[in-house]
Amino acid sequence: DSGVTQTPKHLITATGQRVTLRCSPRSGDLSVYWYQQSLDQGLQFLIQYYNGEERAKGNILERFSAQQFPDLHSELNLSSLELGDSALYFCASSVSVSGGAPRETQYFGPGTRLLVL
Amino acid sequence: AQTVTQSQPEMSVQEAETVTLSCTYDTSESDYYLFWYKQPPSRQMILVIRQEAYKQQNATENRFSVNFQKAAKSFSLKISDSQLGDAAMYFCAYKRSNDYKLSFGAGTTVTVRA
Repeated sequence: DSGVTQTPKHLITATGQRVTLRCSPRSGDLSVYWYQQSLDQGLQFLIQYYNGEERAKGNILERFSAQQFPDLHSELNLSSLELGDSALYFCASSVSVSGGAPRETQYFGPGTRLLVL
Repeated sequence: AQTVTQSQPEMSVQEAETVTLSCTYDTSESDYYLFWYKQPPSRQMILVIRQEAYKQQNATENRFSVNFQKAAKSFSLKISDSQLGDAAMYFCAYKRSNDYKLSFGAGTTVTVRA
């Protein structure tokens, strides 16, 4: 158990819908990362938050957004869902040097499996 | 852009034997980190081992060890005394020291034969 929790574990929805994935980082971790794992794209970095602020963006679609709340949990919002959005979405967390770039290891949650029908 | 290549889609090993997984990466940086993550059928991503590029000594974690060749940009994982529980997909990952994201290879599926 990495200490990172994600809910829900599974999500089945229809095209055009909107869903919210939730992540709670390990105790004390300030950085949260979101990754998408799909069969055709592999594991891809989506976005990173540090202590409530967006720090880096990767291959995240405009239909997707995220935020990190004062209690450090994070939510990934996926809207106007398409079949191709079906994937495993991981949240990871790490301890970051204050204000600096994170050097520590990222620990992953169990993932949320999203199926868009 | 950094790319991570795992050239072996699948590897098979007999229980108690040793298997080595290959990983190469492309970077112009001198300060970075390399990782191996294990993804068993449960799909959880589990950290296996990590290596700092500035350290010449190869990292070791119990039955797992790496062969880090910085000049060759190679980072292989050796699993010794393979166990049935080692069956999983293994991902090699790269992170620049002042960057946020992990860049992953395509993965190698390891099968352990009893």
